[in-house]
Amino acid sequence: EAGVTQFPSHSVIEKGQTVTLRCDPISGHDNLYWYRRVMGKEIKFLLHFVKESKQDESGMPNNRFLAERTGGTYSTLKVQPAELEDSGVYFCASKGDANSYEQYFGPGTRLTVT
Amino acid sequence: GDSVTQMEGPVTLSEEAFLTINCTYTATGYPSLFWYVQYPGEGLQLLLKATKADDKGSNKGFEATYRKETTSFHLEKGSVQVSDSAVYFCALRGTGRRALTFGSGTRLQVQP
Repeated sequence: EAGVTQFPSHSVIEKGQTVTLRCDPISGHDNLYWYRRVMGKEIKFLLHFVKESKQDESGMPNNRFLAERTGGTYSTLKVQPAELEDSGVYFCASKGDANSYEQYFGPGTRLTVT
Repeated sequence: GDSVTQMEGPVTLSEEAFLTINCTYTATGYPSLFWYVQYPGEGLQLLLKATKADDKGSNKGFEATYRKETTSFHLEKGSVQVSDSAVYFCALRGTGRRALTFGSGTRLQVQP
């Protein structure tokens, strides 16, 4: 069974540009989460999808971030326009059963904004 | 809100040394507690968990006990190996929440 995959693994963009990160969860997992780790600090929650619906987006930092999950399969996270403080590693995780404890994480996308 | 505090790294040990990585938390109610590990170039993997007070999670020789009286979940291993070199994250899932709250991570380097 394939794990959670993320694309790209690394992205370098200039301030003001747009970047779209993609996450493919484990097949059949309804729950999908985005997290972010900035500058070696703690990993912070961004938002949670259940199928195609946003269950909790309390961690989204501002309206420059837009997450979608069309059809309840893969998800994208768009940053537009990117700012320097958006640099960090963006993790995606998925989980099957709502009552399951384990979230399965992807390898992350390292975003560098210059 | 919920928060997790863990010791700063890096922690550098010789092979077969004893490991302790401290983790304390702040949360209302009865959170579930986790340790995740990230090996170089890989995603986070669940290492162990504990869902109620006094539970001991264990896996791959690592252990952690849920101590509600001290709000702690310290990670221990009796004899580390070079292959244990990774970043370790303590995390909790608060009552009624589905997202995880993480600490800042502790890098462990084990030297042969």
